[in-house]
Amino acid sequence: GAVVSQHPSRVICKSGTSVKIECRSLDFQATTMFWYRQFPKKSLMLMATSNEGSKATYEQGVEKDKFLINHASLTLSTLTVTSAHPEDSSFYICSASSGTIPYEQYFGPGTRLTVT
Amino acid sequence: GENVEQHPSTLSVQEGDSAVIKCTYSDSASNYFPWYKQELGKRPQLIIDIRSNVGEKKDQRIAVTLNKTAKHFSLHITETQPEDSAVYFCAASAFNQGGKLIFGQGTELSVKP
Repeated sequence: GAVVSQHPSRVICKSGTSVKIECRSLDFQATTMFWYRQFPKKSLMLMATSNEGSKATYEQGVEKDKFLINHASLTLSTLTVTSAHPEDSSFYICSASSGTIPYEQYFGPGTRLTVT
Repeated sequence: GENVEQHPSTLSVQEGDSAVIKCTYSDSASNYFPWYKQELGKRPQLIIDIRSNVGEKKDQRIAVTLNKTAKHFSLHITETQPEDSAVYFCAASAFNQGGKLIFGQGTELSVKP
């Protein structure tokens, strides 16, 4: 089956610093990638949709200048949390879609971000 | 935009009993309804899905039903086992909206041996 990886799996950073999270599709080309965040015991909240080679589309209420998304290739999308604060601490999960089979998305294992 | 409501938030059953989780959605353009199982700290795993041209789908102990008129869909798990214990999420998606998934709030299922 299709495999999506995320790196790092866990990261701790100090308040005010930036953190980059990578999402890779390992055995297929991902025309679309999605970024979600999940608070403890809560649902997955869609942050943004990114299509290879174009700007990401952010969901209402998500600050695009704070959560920078880049989808420069068909196998890699990155999420950069800029000037992180403790309230940005969360579980960030990406998913990827090849677009060849409508709707099918493959989830990464997630990244646990803790901002101190 | 789409809004998905899921109930109950917690569900406790005895091993061998059935479990039912229900979801409603708001956007009539939604035409794909997956269900995910998520264990603590892990990625969501797709367990079953249904498309809007189908009313019911079954895979061994798991079944999903869809009522497009009422805009609701349900997950049914029969003969529950302790390893079914997890958080279950429903979601809705519309292909003409880029395939993005909108998730329900989740149901924490506990199967007691």
